[in-house]
Amino acid sequence: AQSVAQPEDQVNVAEGNPLTVKCTYSVSGNPYLFWYVQYPNRGLQFLLKYITGDNLVKGSYGFEAEFNKSQTSFHLKKPSALVSDSALYFCAVREAPGNTPLVFGKGTRLSVIA
Amino acid sequence: DAGVIQSPRHEVTEMGQEVTLRCKPISGHDYLFWYRQTMMRGLELLIYFNNNVPIDDSGMPEDRFSAKMPNASFSTLKIQPSEPRDSAVYFCASSLIGQETQYFGPGTRLLVL
Repeated sequence: AQSVAQPEDQVNVAEGNPLTVKCTYSVSGNPYLFWYVQYPNRGLQFLLKYITGDNLVKGSYGFEAEFNKSQTSFHLKKPSALVSDSALYFCAVREAPGNTPLVFGKGTRLSVIA
Repeated sequence: DAGVIQSPRHEVTEMGQEVTLRCKPISGHDYLFWYRQTMMRGLELLIYFNNNVPIDDSGMPEDRFSAKMPNASFSTLKIQPSEPRDSAVYFCASSLIGQETQYFGPGTRLLVL
């Protein structure tokens, strides 16, 4: 069965510093990986995805993520954090192509401090 | 594009009452998903449809929950009777065949007293 782990419930970072939100996954086949962000009282917004190709994926709002097959990780990164990046971040995976459901991690709350 | 639309945004009801949540997917999307978000269990899939047909409802917690998609632009999730443990945020998402990304609605925050 496919699964996702986000080992940190909370990440705190100072504004202007780089940020990393960690995600590891487990699938039996090739992974299809996603990051979503949830702002308070809002739905999930798509940030980026890895399907195939370059291991470094660039997404919305200056975020990027690096796919590492050997470590089964897909960490979310941003070179310089903004206070407005404070939100709940979800990593998700599926092991089949197409439109099958996503399996989500528990989420990591990012707090960027001015 | 208006995105995925859900109504109501908030619902407070008493135990035993029937609750109906509504979703309008993005126009042209073939797939529709219902997820539930709780503090304890995170985000979990309840059911999903392809071309209005339920594909997998194994996540529906029990017979009190039912979902329908009478046409391509509308779906409902019904809880009857509701219980306090059903309190959660319910999200609807849709996607287009051949594209990997699911787009989420703003969610319905349900509180059952």
